[in-house]
Amino acid sequence: EVQLLESGGGLVQPGGSLRLTCVASEFAFSSNAMTWVRQAPGKGLEWVSRISRGGGFSDYADSVKGRFTISRDDSKNTLYLQMNSLRSEDTAVYFCAKAVYDSGVYLYWYFDLWGRGTLVTVSS
Amino acid sequence: EIVLTQSPATLSVSPGERATLSCRASQSFSSNLAWYQQRPGQAPRLLIYRASARATGVPARFSGSGSGTEFTLSISSLQSEDFAVYYCQQYNNWPLTFGGGTKVEIK
Repeated sequence: EVQLLESGGGLVQPGGSLRLTCVASEFAFSSNAMTWVRQAPGKGLEWVSRISRGGGFSDYADSVKGRFTISRDDSKNTLYLQMNSLRSEDTAVYFCAKAVYDSGVYLYWYFDLWGRGTLVTVSS
Repeated sequence: EIVLTQSPATLSVSPGERATLSCRASQSFSSNLAWYQQRPGQAPRLLIYRASARATGVPARFSGSGSGTEFTLSISSLQSEDFAVYYCQQYNNWPLTFGGGTKVEIK
């Protein structure tokens, strides 16, 4: 089955760190650009970070810039999000998602495959 | 940053009726807009991209339209599985932004 599966969430104190993992199955992970999107409890969706196929380019929302790092290991079909200096406002479900290539060439940053998410709670 | 404002926040509709959801953008852009459905406890599901193209497997009762600053998602005859929250997302400018969502509930 084509899917994304996140893990690594949990309860962490303010100022702490977590690393989220997203494992891809049954599609060519290395050929795809990926993103992280989060959703605070009872709230809407917020884009967090993106990474190009190959990993040569990455980008972040201002709210996490300098604290979060996105990376990928194509040999393991895995996407990561290293989260440092966590704050209470980072509490959310974190989803990984796959961006779309049109005709295999043109990249569009809307998302046709999402994982089920992993909950990160930042609290003392 | 492009701010997307969805209205109404909640839409009460009877099964079989039509629902019309609005997404208004703070800046004009052509058609780089997507719509997602999110059921409770689930991940978002892509419904519409390029403002009006249906994603694979999405029923024909879902349709999208609009350009510039006004976009619309229509559901022609609501089924029980359509009661959910719907989000629009623009991918024309960075950062990507989502609307605040419209909850479609059973009347």
